[in-house]
Amino acid sequence: SQTIHQWPATLVQPVGSPLSLECTVEGTSNPNLYWYRQAAGRGLQLLFYSVGIGQISSEVPQNLSASRPQDRQFILSSKKLLLSDSGFYLCAWARMNNEQFFGPGTRLTVL
Amino acid sequence: DQQVKQNSPSLSVQEGRISILNCDYTNSMFDYFLWYKKYPAEGPTFLISISSIKDKNEDGRFTVFLNKSAKHLSLHIVPSQPGDSAVYFCAASQGAQKLVFGQGTRLTINP
Repeated sequence: SQTIHQWPATLVQPVGSPLSLECTVEGTSNPNLYWYRQAAGRGLQLLFYSVGIGQISSEVPQNLSASRPQDRQFILSSKKLLLSDSGFYLCAWARMNNEQFFGPGTRLTVL
Repeated sequence: DQQVKQNSPSLSVQEGRISILNCDYTNSMFDYFLWYKKYPAEGPTFLISISSIKDKNEDGRFTVFLNKSAKHLSLHIVPSQPGDSAVYFCAASQGAQKLVFGQGTRLTINP
């Protein structure tokens, strides 16, 4: 069976510090991978998606970047965090039939 | 431009009664629709989906209805149970790539 992992579960970082959130998927190959953010009281905003190694599509201009160094690894990064980067970050994977499976999420607080 | 809208941010229903969650979309090219359920501090979990070639799909207590002419879908939960209290997101896609999510509706089931 497939599983998706995210870490860390929670993170508190000062403004201006770097960020690296990791997501890995097990039990499947060549998945589509996604990063979402859920800001407080808001819906799920798609940040990045990837259909293969090294292939990243950005949905919104922002302070974040994503990379996919391996087939089942998806990393969300920032060089300098802003207060507005606080939120709940979710990684998801999907096969080609659109049904996406989400990880447990990372709660990021930028102070 | 919000292509998928859930106009009710919250809904309160008595235990045992029917819960009806609504979702509207603007993009007539969407061909696949999904509902997700999300508990606080967890990733969303897939509930039920429907293809645009159908107008109804049922899975246990959950039924999704699609009205393509009105660009409207709804999720019916009957009977509602306390464990159904969560935030529900509808999502839509065109083709096999990315989902567009609504803002979510917080469902509270009262005993």
